[in-house]
Amino acid sequence: KNQVEQSPQSLIILEGKNCTLQCNYTVSPFSNLRWYKQDTGRGPVSLTIMTFSENTKSNGRYTATLDADTKQSSLHITASQLSDSASYICVVSTYGGSQGNLIFGKGTKLSVKP
Amino acid sequence: DTGVSQNPRHKITKRGQNVTFRCDPISEHNRLYWYRQTLGQGPEFLTYFQNEAQLEKSRLLSDRFSAERPKGSFSTLEIQRTEQGDSAMYLCASSLVAGERTRRADTQYFGPGTRLTVL
Repeated sequence: KNQVEQSPQSLIILEGKNCTLQCNYTVSPFSNLRWYKQDTGRGPVSLTIMTFSENTKSNGRYTATLDADTKQSSLHITASQLSDSASYICVVSTYGGSQGNLIFGKGTKLSVKP
Repeated sequence: DTGVSQNPRHKITKRGQNVTFRCDPISEHNRLYWYRQTLGQGPEFLTYFQNEAQLEKSRLLSDRFSAERPKGSFSTLEIQRTEQGDSAMYLCASSLVAGERTRRADTQYFGPGTRLTVL
């Protein structure tokens, strides 16, 4: 069964600190992996997208890594800001299958405190 | 604003009533997706359209749910005889792909969602 598991479920950090969010997946066939940021009451916004051959991708203070062998990804946030408070969702794309080709994790809820 | 828009943003209704949501995708996008998201969960796929054709429906989409995209542009999602369990955020996303059943995954752009509360 195609699944995406994220950890931790929630995380509280102080402003200015770094943090790393984890994503493990069992999706086949694998097309790509994305990280989305979802503010409360808003739709998800794409942060990064990585294909099988890419093992790191940066977007400002966000850096995503992908290990296709172990089927793990991480999202590292550097020098956190209050505006980083949101849910971060790991999404793995498959193709030729059902569910519109996207398998969503449940997200990690990040709270950045002053 | 040329992004995906959804209306209304919030809807409160009584159990048993019918509700209809609208999604306007990015204008040149040919695919349109509907998702449902409950608190603390990731979005769950409901259905998607390629132009006006509804190509896939999730088993989550019971017979009380119907979606249309009559002209291949905007889409509506109707829920009949609402139940309290229907309370959720309903998200719409759109994308541009080549070919009806492309094997390459597409980049989906999400709208702000419609939050439904069934009392």
